[in-house]
Amino acid sequence: DTGVSQDPRHKITKRGQNVTFRCDPISEHNRLYWYRQTLGQGPEFLTYFQNEAQLEKSRLLSDRFSAERPKGSFSTLEIQRTEQGDSAMYLCASSPTYRADTQYFGPGTRLTVL
Amino acid sequence: AQKVTQAQTEISVVEKEDVTLDCVYETRDTTYYLFWYKQPPSGELVFLIRRNSFDEQNEISGRYSWNFQKSTSSFNFTITASQVVDSAVYFCALRSNFGNEKLTFGTGTRLTIIP
Repeated sequence: DTGVSQDPRHKITKRGQNVTFRCDPISEHNRLYWYRQTLGQGPEFLTYFQNEAQLEKSRLLSDRFSAERPKGSFSTLEIQRTEQGDSAMYLCASSPTYRADTQYFGPGTRLTVL
Repeated sequence: AQKVTQAQTEISVVEKEDVTLDCVYETRDTTYYLFWYKQPPSGELVFLIRRNSFDEQNEISGRYSWNFQKSTSSFNFTITASQVVDSAVYFCALRSNFGNEKLTFGTGTRLTIIP
């Protein structure tokens, strides 16, 4: 199986710009998760999809953040009007129906906001 | 609320030594899952093990072993005969078995194996 892929791997942007990240889960995994990891910390949950439905959102996900998974396959995470505090690694994970308890992570997108 | 504590921020050992990474968790759930992930310098989180709270048997996989003790809410990870390739940040994580599917991670332990 091909693993979870994320694009881009690195993104540098200026404060106030919008950015969009993409995640392609493992084929046939119906659950998809987004996490954010800042330096020296463990990943923190942002949101979760089961197929197309966004079932859960963390309070960390302010109204500048939006995530979609329109066809139940890949997902996008958009951050509008980026702030320096948004600088972090954004991790995507997926899990299958038959083993929904285990999440497999992608390589992450490292965002730097100048 | 769920919480995972990894008190060891950094550990350095000489190659071939054994090393144990500690993990203590808090949850009000009666059933839950515990995980260990490895994060090498490349950044990708690599799944190592999943343990259901019903199953308190210890597990060994090659040089890796895990000690789950529900009585002390601990899920410790031991690497035997450490190798340089084991150098990474290791995360312990907790997931409820009901509803909420998010993983709650500890802050990680940075393990450095000195050749």
